[in-house]
Amino acid sequence: GAGVSQSPSNKVTEKGKDVELRCDPISGHTALYWYRQSLGQGLEFLIYFQGNSAPDKSGLPSDRFSAERTGGSVSTLTIQRTQQEDSAVYLCASSSMPGTSRTSYEQYFGPGTRLTVT
Amino acid sequence: GQQVMQIPQYQHVQEGEDFTTYCNSSTTLSNIQWYKQRPGGHPVFLIQLVKSGEVKKQKRLTFQFGEAKKNSSLHITATQTTDVGTYFCAAKTGANNLFFGTGTRLTVIP
Repeated sequence: GAGVSQSPSNKVTEKGKDVELRCDPISGHTALYWYRQSLGQGLEFLIYFQGNSAPDKSGLPSDRFSAERTGGSVSTLTIQRTQQEDSAVYLCASSSMPGTSRTSYEQYFGPGTRLTVT
Repeated sequence: GQQVMQIPQYQHVQEGEDFTTYCNSSTTLSNIQWYKQRPGGHPVFLIQLVKSGEVKKQKRLTFQFGEAKKNSSLHITATQTTDVGTYFCAAKTGANNLFFGTGTRLTVIP
């Protein structure tokens, strides 16, 4: 079946502009995650959605970052007044269930959106 | 906050040599997952370990979870060029999020 999709695949924007990144999770997956990966670096957790629960926003680096998940499916990550340090690959992942406190379900990652702020 | 450290950060091996990456935490982990990210690609799930002292194998890959559930390792026997990529561990302490390690970038020299 279809995997996680993200759009656009590449985005070049000028400093100070707002950008929206989209994620379509695997159908039926209740958990959705956003990560940021700078060149050659690890994965930085940004935000987590689970069903209708309040999202875990603990990873958002500043109030310029926000995310929504409509209808428990598609998610949009918005970055306002972009800065050059926002340049990175933004990865979205989904999983079928969040897991219990002891277990997790594997995360399926999308191809990412490469954001370049000039 | 939760930190998961991985070593080494980089590893170059000759094709056919073995490779090991280690993941360490200062706190007890509920479980640990391993992912592989090929150059230019996105992370792909490899395996999950839950039990203390657990060992799992996938062909040439051997995954271990420490007895104290504070560390884990991934060992690749007789590396091949297809093993090239960055290997990440991801750990969960009880919350819903996975904390990803810094990754080990493996280069295999033909």
